[in-house]
Amino acid sequence: GDSVTQTEGLVTVTEGLPVKLNCTYQTTYLTIAFFWYVQYLNEAPQVLLKSSTDNKRTEHQGFHATLHKSSSSFHLQKSSAQLSDSALYYCALRVSSGSWQLIFGSGTQLTVMP
Amino acid sequence: GGIITQTPKFLIGQEGQKLTLKCQQNFNHDTMYWYRQDSGKGLRLIYYSITENDLQKGDLSEGYDASREKKSSFSLTVTSAQKNEMAVFLCASSRDSYQDTQYFGPGTRLLVL
Repeated sequence: GDSVTQTEGLVTVTEGLPVKLNCTYQTTYLTIAFFWYVQYLNEAPQVLLKSSTDNKRTEHQGFHATLHKSSSSFHLQKSSAQLSDSALYYCALRVSSGSWQLIFGSGTQLTVMP
Repeated sequence: GGIITQTPKFLIGQEGQKLTLKCQQNFNHDTMYWYRQDSGKGLRLIYYSITENDLQKGDLSEGYDASREKKSSFSLTVTSAQKNEMAVFLCASSRDSYQDTQYFGPGTRLLVL
């Protein structure tokens, strides 16, 4: 079946340094959309980025991600982490199967240290 | 813009009790979802509904019932609460397209004594 893998449960980075959160997926569908959601402490998850175009960089709030269908990846990156970026990040896949389910990864808790 | 409201915010129940969680959205979205959030396990889909009176099971539907009374509301019932269960239940909604964003409510935190 379809699945999303986030290999790191916890990532700690020093403020000002780059950060990369990994996300890979497995699906047999050709038409897909990908999302990164961010959940700050005691808040609802909210969409950070979304993409459905292969090899096109998508940016928002200093974060960027590029969907690479050749390597089944949609990694999230930022060149300079901020203290306010500390949050739980979810990668999610939607396939055009006729149902509107999102398949979520297990999440990566990002902590940015001063 | 719009908002998703979940009630109650906190729910404390007893083992074996039937517990109901409610969700309202004013986005006028067709599709609504219930997820369970457990630490380290991501968001797992319990039920979703693509229109009023429709119900579709997710991967985690066992032990739960759901009801889409009208377009704007979606309820979830824990049919028999499990002792020491602790989880967050998130409601979400979206328009009817695979590229559309799901918007989440703030969650209901459940604790079963």
